[in-house]
Amino acid sequence: EAQVTQNPRYLITVTGKKLTVTCSQNMNHEYMSWYRQDPGLGLRQIYYSMNVEVTDKGDVPEGYKVSRKEKRNFPLILESPSPNQTSLYFCASSTRDSSTGELFFGEGSRLTVL
Amino acid sequence: ILNVEQSPQSLHVQEGDSTNFTCSFPSSNFYALHWYRWETAKSPEALFVMTLNGDEKKKGRISATLNTKEGYSYLYIKGSQPEDSATYLCARNDQTGANNLFFGTGTRLTVIP
Repeated sequence: EAQVTQNPRYLITVTGKKLTVTCSQNMNHEYMSWYRQDPGLGLRQIYYSMNVEVTDKGDVPEGYKVSRKEKRNFPLILESPSPNQTSLYFCASSTRDSSTGELFFGEGSRLTVL
Repeated sequence: ILNVEQSPQSLHVQEGDSTNFTCSFPSSNFYALHWYRWETAKSPEALFVMTLNGDEKKKGRISATLNTKEGYSYLYIKGSQPEDSATYLCARNDQTGANNLFFGTGTRLTVIP
């Protein structure tokens, strides 16, 4: 089954404690991206990756890092989480060749930073 | 940042009613318009991806139209059912070779049995 898998789905942590949200897709997609969803705002892009070892900032990259060492994985790293990073996070993937390709989303990771 | 606006923010309709929502976006440098359906506690799922002015797409009781010159898209649901209750997101893409989407805040639909 084609899917994007995120872990953890739910996490409560404290300010400054490094954490990683993993994302894995099994569709051999070149393109992967992270979004955050906050009340009253649309999904906002954090980082994206066009292929292995190719990453770039989205609209709200501050406080986040990513890596793309393998095609299937695109982890989101919060080196020193702060309360304003409390949010619902989505990982998504698609084919790269066409900008008309639909995004496939993971089920979301709800993060609370105290 | 490309402002994508959706209206209404939310609406309630009776089962069997037909309804429609609007997505408006800047028409300059347009490349593609996406519609997604997002049920609570699930992941957003693609409904349509449209690129051409005048494009119309249909999936069952749901259809969408696109006007790239004036910068709007309509999503129609015919004969709404309770299972149609969800948030409907539209997003615009203006780049080739990258699928970076700018999302609206969504229209939350509740269908009352």
